[in-house]
Amino acid sequence: GQQVMQIPQYQHVQEGEDFTTYCNSSTTLSNIQWYKQRPGGHPVFLIQLVKSGEVKKQKRLTFQFGEAKKNSSLHITATQTTDVGTYFCAGPRGDYGGATNKLIFGTGTLLAVQP
Amino acid sequence: EAQVTQNPRYLITVTGKKLTVTCSQNMNHEYMSWYRQDPGLGLRQIYYSMNVEVTDKGDVPEGYKVSRKEKRNFPLILESPSPNQTSLYFCASSPLFLTSGKIDEQFFGPGTRLTVL
Repeated sequence: GQQVMQIPQYQHVQEGEDFTTYCNSSTTLSNIQWYKQRPGGHPVFLIQLVKSGEVKKQKRLTFQFGEAKKNSSLHITATQTTDVGTYFCAGPRGDYGGATNKLIFGTGTLLAVQP
Repeated sequence: EAQVTQNPRYLITVTGKKLTVTCSQNMNHEYMSWYRQDPGLGLRQIYYSMNVEVTDKGDVPEGYKVSRKEKRNFPLILESPSPNQTSLYFCASSPLFLTSGKIDEQFFGPGTRLTVL
């Protein structure tokens, strides 16, 4: 069945270092969303990417959607302690070649930032 | 304030005792969904609803029921809870794009931590 994997599962960085998490789907995605979940909190929407090769920036965060729409990445420049949390990607499950409104989430990447 | 609320936030129960977790949103969203979150498995969708009286199974629907009688409410029912349903549960809502009917950003509730003994 369709799978969405994220790597790495865990990353520990020193404050100020960069961080990247990768999201890889076994099938083409019509769009992809990214969420952040702080420890003890709930997922919070960050962004949605729709177009092949799309790149969007939010301050120190850069999101990219692959040309084949099967992978995506989130890059954080100069991490801060406020970036701590788990980052999830999510996309619609495919069904008979089309996208449904049933969502599949990636396994998540836990980011730890040491001051 | 726009929000998704869930109750209760914490619940400890015993095997077989029926329970309901309520979810309500005040944003007039069409789409609502339930997820469970388990260590190492991420978020898995249980059920979702595209609108009133329209519900469908997610990836892990076994042992759960839902209903959508009103647009704002989407309760999750465990008729006979078992220990493998011990988990952190999230309700979420989302508007739908007018042109495509696809979901937009999801707003999550604070979560319900359920323990079944």
